[in-house]
Amino acid sequence: GQQLNQSPQSMFIQEGEDVSMNCTSSSIFNTWLWYKQEPGEGPVLLIALYKAGELTSNGRLTAQFGITRKDSFLNISASIPSDVGIYFCAGQKGSARQLTFGSGTQLTVLP
Amino acid sequence: DADVTQTPRNRITKTGKRIMLECSQTKGHDRMYWYRQDPGLGLQLIYYSFDVKDINKGEISDGYSVSRQAQAKFSLSLESAIPNQTALYFCATQERNTQYFGPGTRLTVL
Repeated sequence: GQQLNQSPQSMFIQEGEDVSMNCTSSSIFNTWLWYKQEPGEGPVLLIALYKAGELTSNGRLTAQFGITRKDSFLNISASIPSDVGIYFCAGQKGSARQLTFGSGTQLTVLP
Repeated sequence: DADVTQTPRNRITKTGKRIMLECSQTKGHDRMYWYRQDPGLGLQLIYYSFDVKDINKGEISDGYSVSRQAQAKFSLSLESAIPNQTALYFCATQERNTQYFGPGTRLTVL
């Protein structure tokens, strides 16, 4: 089963506001990934993090690999309507051969 | 052109029917995965393959089987479909701990 705690489960924000979501685990991860999924489509990779403490930006998105390697956050600045979707975190730990996914954050941006 | 393609995109079938979902990739990755997604939930791993001779069960493999016909092709079969297999199914490839997803197949079992 899933071992990543992703929060919040859903968010309703006004256009222009900043957004923050995070994932935590009791286990150490070697890689953290953030995906966005739009209705009827597959998840699309937003940001990949490979080193503890790494802070990476992709346009208005910024993500960080927690220094303890047990957490990661994603920030979206100045939200716009097309930011709507489900955001998933995912991680790979140790010698695991597959990713572990969070349960997703449903983001709604109100005009 | 998309790097990971899935066919069909939508399928409606009846209980007891055999169904095959196909996945092809042009990324040249050895690792391929099949997931299902239920409404409001995250992704659950069904099967994964690290090459044509390496097939592994995921967390929810019961009722499913797979075939890795070539590096570029990984098929998922439901031998006898049942209604609780109604879901979105995603194929993915992986390189350097990063997975790349196909557009998904929406399967409805009546």
